[in-house]
Amino acid sequence: DAGVIQSPRHEVTEMGQEVTLRCKPISGHNSLFWYRQTMMRGLELLIYFNNNVPIDDSGMPEDRFSAKMPNASFSTLKIQPSEPRDSAVYFCASSLVTSGGGTQYFGPGTRLLVL
Amino acid sequence: DAKTTQPTSMDCAEGRAANLPCNHSTISGNEYVYWYRQIHSQGPQYIIHGLKNNETNEMASLIITEDRKSSTLILPHATLRDTAVYYCIVRRPSSGSARQLTFGSGTQLTVLP
Repeated sequence: DAGVIQSPRHEVTEMGQEVTLRCKPISGHNSLFWYRQTMMRGLELLIYFNNNVPIDDSGMPEDRFSAKMPNASFSTLKIQPSEPRDSAVYFCASSLVTSGGGTQYFGPGTRLLVL
Repeated sequence: DAKTTQPTSMDCAEGRAANLPCNHSTISGNEYVYWYRQIHSQGPQYIIHGLKNNETNEMASLIITEDRKSSTLILPHATLRDTAVYYCIVRRPSSGSARQLTFGSGTQLTVLP
């Protein structure tokens, strides 16, 4: 299996521009998570989906952030407009959730720099 | 999910066993102990998890005390590539729905040549 795939791996943009991050979860997994990592705040959950449905988006910083999962094999995280404080590494993770739990597997991340 | 406490940093000689401790004194009976690691500039990597019994896989062993208030991750023969931040996470079962992982500060393990 290829694992979780994220694109782009690096993104440099200017303040005010729209940024779209993409994630392809592991085939057969039914849950998908978006995390953000910064030096100041560490790894923090932004939103997660179960069977393509958003379950908890309480970690999304503000209305500038939105996430979608149109099907089981694709998700996007969009920032519009982007700000310098959004600079971070964004990770996508997926898992197969059963009654007993589910191990999350992370992608390589997208390094975002907003100038 | 119960809170965990880990040392900030540890060193280990290459080829020796690395023993990473984790305290989780408020763990509940149905909460699992998970270990992940993050090598610099990479995504977190799953290592192992357990509930009550000790567990072993190709990467590591997990020793959970009988009272479940602490655990130790053991890398039997540490290599330079094992240098990473190791996270101990306690999490309730999913009950059929996804649950997030809450990452603390972890332990920076440095394997020395």
